[in-house]
Amino acid sequence: DGGITQSPKYLFRKEGQNVTLSCEQNLNHDAMYWYRQDPGQGLRLIYYSQIVNDFQKGDIAEGYSVSREKKESFPLTVTSAQKNPTAFYLCASSGWGQPYNEQFFGPGTRLTVL
Amino acid sequence: EDKVVQSPLSLVVHEGDTVTLNCSYEVTNFRSLLWYKQEKKAPTFLFMLTSSGIEKKSGRLSSILDKKELFSILNITATQTGDSAIYLCAPGSGGSYIPTFGRGTSLIVHP
Repeated sequence: DGGITQSPKYLFRKEGQNVTLSCEQNLNHDAMYWYRQDPGQGLRLIYYSQIVNDFQKGDIAEGYSVSREKKESFPLTVTSAQKNPTAFYLCASSGWGQPYNEQFFGPGTRLTVL
Repeated sequence: EDKVVQSPLSLVVHEGDTVTLNCSYEVTNFRSLLWYKQEKKAPTFLFMLTSSGIEKKSGRLSSILDKKELFSILNITATQTGDSAIYLCAPGSGGSYIPTFGRGTSLIVHP
């Protein structure tokens, strides 16, 4: 079945540690995105990638890093520089180059910093 | 800067009620507006609206766009407990095709 997978579902991190969240899609989508969601808030864009080996900062990129070495994969690293990393992280993918792109979302990773 | 305002932020109703959720937006080079339903985890797609005045329907849900007044509404008739969710509005701009999400409306439907 086509879809987007994220792992792990829950992640606990000690302060000062870097952690990497996985996102894989088999929808053959060109574009992939990372969002952060805090309680009572909408989705805020962290990074997005339109094509392999290229990515752009979103609205809240500070303290995060990404890579896009394969079309199917777009991992997000939450670094120790991110001041308040506890949140729900969603990965999405879509086609690119069309004006009417529906985004497909993964199930999310809930990160808690202890 | 692109802006999306959803109202109300939260809504509590009883089964059978009809609700209207609002989304007003200001985006550069607007192309489309998407509605999503988020229950516990991943948002799921409901509607994509590109033209003014054309209602889209799916069962008890319907939505319409007004590109002149820059808003969209999502209607849910005869609500059920399964409609309890956060409803997200996301207008997309033509330049980058990246949708901007509103804060969402939290809907709770009591039996």
